[in-house]
Formats: sequence, structure tokens, C-alpha cells
Amino acid sequence: NAGVTQTPKFRILKIGQSMTLQCTQDMNHNYMYWYRQDPGMGLKLIYYSVGAGITDKGEVPNGYNVSRSTTEDFPLRLELAAPSQTSVYFCASTEFEDSPLHFGNGTRLTVT
Amino acid sequence: AQTVTQSQPEMSVQEAETVTLSCTYDTSESDYYLFWYKQPPSRQMILVIRQEAYKQQNATENRFSVNFQKAAKSFSLKISDSQLGDAAMYFCAYRSDYGNNRLAFGKGNQVVVIP
Repeated sequence: NAGVTQTPKFRILKIGQSMTLQCTQDMNHNYMYWYRQDPGMGLKLIYYSVGAGITDKGEVPNGYNVSRSTTEDFPLRLELAAPSQTSVYFCASTEFEDSPLHFGNGTRLTVT
Repeated sequence: AQTVTQSQPEMSVQEAETVTLSCTYDTSESDYYLFWYKQPPSRQMILVIRQEAYKQQNATENRFSVNFQKAAKSFSLKISDSQLGDAAMYFCAYRSDYGNNRLAFGKGNQVVVIP
């Protein structure tokens, strides 16, 4: 059981480039989340999904897009990378609304 | 939006001693959940302990326990018999009972364990 898998682990982008952070879970969880962690800060919610085909904005959605075409996958898209998006990105999932979150190991993104 | 405040950026503790991390939060809700997560240098987020607001009894998990003061909106974590493996960032988090399991995190406390 792999749990929540995030790829890549590290990435360096130039300003204005685009990329997709991948997140896959093999636990058949309905709820999935994207958080970002800036240096010295706690995690902030970017987007979340309560099931396939349903997504909603979190606290800091600007500059990002998501889709949820399957239960397993919840990719996060950066269209025009900016230095302010330099951060560590965490994907998480949970089976029920009341259950603990399972986190991936994060993607460290640097935009220069 | 709920805010979670952790005001002690770094705490040092001798191995085998006890350390307490403070957390306060701001909410107008009566039903919610509180969590402490541990983040070691590996970056992995590990759930340490969870407290339901409707429970008066403080949660415990082995060497980890909390002091939950609902009226004061305070949720401290006590680590007893500290071990080298406890060295990590610790994040306090709040979850509304109605919010699709979305978490609001504090900025974290760095715990340093001195051998």
C-alpha cells in the first residue's frame, strides 16, 4: 500500500514556466487536499476535493488550478510560475470527513 | 477563518525530560477538532494526537498528552520522557466540525532534544 504519492520530489522552475504537481492515492479516499508550506510557516490550504469531479478553493488558491477526474488523482497546476510560489507542496487524503489525513512526502518547488 | 497561534518558535529539552508546547486558537464554533502534527527533517507530516472539543477528557498517546482548555481556547502538548527521535517541528491544527476536514495550521514549534 503506497498511500499518498507525490511527484516530483524537487523541481526548479523559471519565472513564467508552468508545471503540474502530481498526487496519487491508492486508498480509495474521497477527500483530497493540496497544502503549501512556506519557510518557517505552517501549512496553508490551496484547493481541496470531496470526490471525483468536485473541487473547491482553499485559503490561497490564486495562481493554481486543480482537477479531479478520478478518485485516485488530484494534480495541481501552476500556469505562470512566480517567485512567491516557491514553497513545499503537500498533498493529503482521507476516507471520511472525520478521519485523520494521510500526507504525501511533499514536493519542494523553487521558482527563480 | 480560524487562526491558530504558536508563539514559541524553538524549545530545547534535555533527553528524558518534559517539554510543553503552547497553542491558542480563535473560533466562534462550539464543535471542532484540534490536532498536533510532527514534522521531522524528512518533511513527513505525522499525526501525534487529536482532541475532540466536545470531550472534556484530555487526549493521551503514550508519552504525548494535551491540556485542552476550551474556554481559554488553549491546546498545549506535553512530551514526557523526551527522546532524540522527538526532535522535529510540531504544528498545532484546527478543524471545524463542518468544514470538509480542512485544517488550519499554526506556524510551528521547533523542538530540539539535547542528549
